[in-house]
Amino acid sequence: DTAVSQTPKYLVTQMGNDKSIKCEQNLGHDTMYWYKQDSKKFLKIMFSYNNKELIINETVPNRFSPKSPDKAHLNLHINSLELGDSAVYFCASSQRSSGSFTGELFFGEGSRLTVL
Amino acid sequence: GQQLNQSPQSMFIQEGEDVSMNCTSSSIFNTWLWYKQDPGEGPVLLIALYKAGELTSNGRLTAQFGITRKDSFLNISASIPSDVGIYFCAGLAGNQFYFGTGTSLTVIP
Repeated sequence: DTAVSQTPKYLVTQMGNDKSIKCEQNLGHDTMYWYKQDSKKFLKIMFSYNNKELIINETVPNRFSPKSPDKAHLNLHINSLELGDSAVYFCASSQRSSGSFTGELFFGEGSRLTVL
Repeated sequence: GQQLNQSPQSMFIQEGEDVSMNCTSSSIFNTWLWYKQDPGEGPVLLIALYKAGELTSNGRLTAQFGITRKDSFLNISASIPSDVGIYFCAGLAGNQFYFGTGTSLTVIP
């Protein structure tokens, strides 16, 4: 069973469209993340949720809206897609222990978004 | 956000050679991590370091948590073709993981 799974793996769409990427983890972790990896392979944090509560919200356009229906799921919705949104989006999860992180992130396989 | 500088940016080595890469930061971290990303996959954890000065091995991989807590090193001994990929360091501060700029490793058989 895949620990962190995200769908779709590939997404090709036109500028201006709205799209969503879904993420689920079966590790029982309480914290989930969205990272963006650009063409230079830089991994940049976008959002983090702990027990469905937003705890990290980096400088990301408000066209990006994360939603966490429960602690095993974190979805990413993107409105009015732009060319610069083309990237690989990674979902990840980790577990806090006694208020601090164990220090390990588990990543999904990534969702490659191409905006034409 | 905090910047982690990784070097070298890329490496081309012969199979069997040893590899060394490092990561430096202007800030202190309490945890250092090293990840490897294969093409088309997400990063996978290789080694986690939790204490300044700690030296940890995982097979042919050895990593160290710098004494100043602002740097970390990863060594790979006797490289093999499947070592190819991008290696990322990451530092944990509070709730957030900060990633390095990555080292792309190519192993020539």
